[in-house]
Amino acid sequence: AQSVAQPEDQVNVAEGNPLTVKCTYSVSGNPYLFWYVQYPNRGLQFLLKYITGDNLVKGSYGFEAEFNKSQTSFHLKKPSALVSDSALYFCAVRDKAGGGNKLTFGTGTQLKVEL
Amino acid sequence: NAGVTQTPKFQVLKTGQSMTLQCAQDMNHEYMSWYRQDPGMGLRLIHYSVGAGITDQGEVPNGYNVSRSTTEDFPLRLLSAAPSQTSVYFCASSYYGSPNTGELFFGEGSRLTVL
Repeated sequence: AQSVAQPEDQVNVAEGNPLTVKCTYSVSGNPYLFWYVQYPNRGLQFLLKYITGDNLVKGSYGFEAEFNKSQTSFHLKKPSALVSDSALYFCAVRDKAGGGNKLTFGTGTQLKVEL
Repeated sequence: NAGVTQTPKFQVLKTGQSMTLQCAQDMNHEYMSWYRQDPGMGLRLIHYSVGAGITDQGEVPNGYNVSRSTTEDFPLRLLSAAPSQTSVYFCASSYYGSPNTGELFFGEGSRLTVL
């Protein structure tokens, strides 16, 4: 079975500082990894994904994520946080060998960026 | 572009009542799915479909039925509502297969309360 862990319920960052939102995963084979963002009272929006290739993946709104196979991690990063980045962030995984687009989501990390 | 449209946005039911949450997408996506979002539990997959006439169970299918008679529509039926089904429900769709694997498009959500 595939699973995702987001160890932090909330991350607080000052505007302009770098941010990291952590994610570790477990799959039986090679993973597809994703980050989604949810703003209040909205559906989730796709940010970025790792399928294969370069371990550093760049996505929307200046976010990037680093795939680390040995540590089974896929942490989300941004060099300089904005107040508008405040939202709920979800990491998700899918086993490449699995069928369909059945993603398993983590429990989410609330990011709060303060002035 | 409408994207993924869910109705209703809010619904209050009494225990034992039945209802249908509607989901429609206008992107010609083969894959459609229903998730429920509960505090501290992230998103959990209820049912999914990889094309018209094909449905399958996700992680938490009990108490829910689905059908897929057209590519566009994927309704979720609650057969006999229970308080444990109080949740926010999200419909999500995507193309099926590479290179768009995992890039789900979400609706705005349907908030259901069962008394």
